[in-house]
Amino acid sequence: DSGVTQTPKHLITATGQRVTLRCSPRSGDLSVYWYQQSLDQGLQFLIQYYNGEERAKGNILERFSAQQFPDLHSELNLSSLELGDSALYFCASSVGATNEQFFGPGTRLTVL
Amino acid sequence: SQQGEEDPQALSIQEGENATMNCSYKTSINNLQWYRQNSGRGLVHLILIRSNEREKHSGRLRVTLDTSKKSSSLLITASRAADTASYFCADGDNYGQNFVFGPGTRLSVLP
Repeated sequence: DSGVTQTPKHLITATGQRVTLRCSPRSGDLSVYWYQQSLDQGLQFLIQYYNGEERAKGNILERFSAQQFPDLHSELNLSSLELGDSALYFCASSVGATNEQFFGPGTRLTVL
Repeated sequence: SQQGEEDPQALSIQEGENATMNCSYKTSINNLQWYRQNSGRGLVHLILIRSNEREKHSGRLRVTLDTSKKSSSLLITASRAADTASYFCADGDNYGQNFVFGPGTRLSVLP
């Protein structure tokens, strides 16, 4: 158990819908990361936050947005969902901005 | 944007053999990290090597770093079937950015 929690574990929804994925980092970790992993695209980095501020941005679509709250938990919002958004979404956290990351168990999103 | 990648993309070896995989990166780094992922699970941190280190060991793992070539290698000695997994690298750079990149190396250790 990495100490990073993600909810929900599974999510099934329809195209065009909007969902919110939640991540609670390990106690004391200031940095949060989001990744998307699908069979055809592999592991893709989406975004990194450090103490509430965006630190790095990867291949995050405009339909996706994220934020890190004052209590350091983070949410990833996915809107206008498409079939291709079906994937495992991982959250990770680290103490600082460049330390080793601890990954959560992931949220499996299925878009029908 | 992608920072680099791991190679080879796939590697198949017999149990007991050594496995070597490489990671190339593009920015100046503070450290480089290696991770393992078992199918469908979250990544697990294996080892971190700082930019002023050239080699680091942890059990059967040996990591080297060549900052002049912007590359790192991970060696797993005396491999076991349980080492079958995908391996990824991440670089903590000097701008406070840090993320896992590349398609990873998929290692299969055959009994």
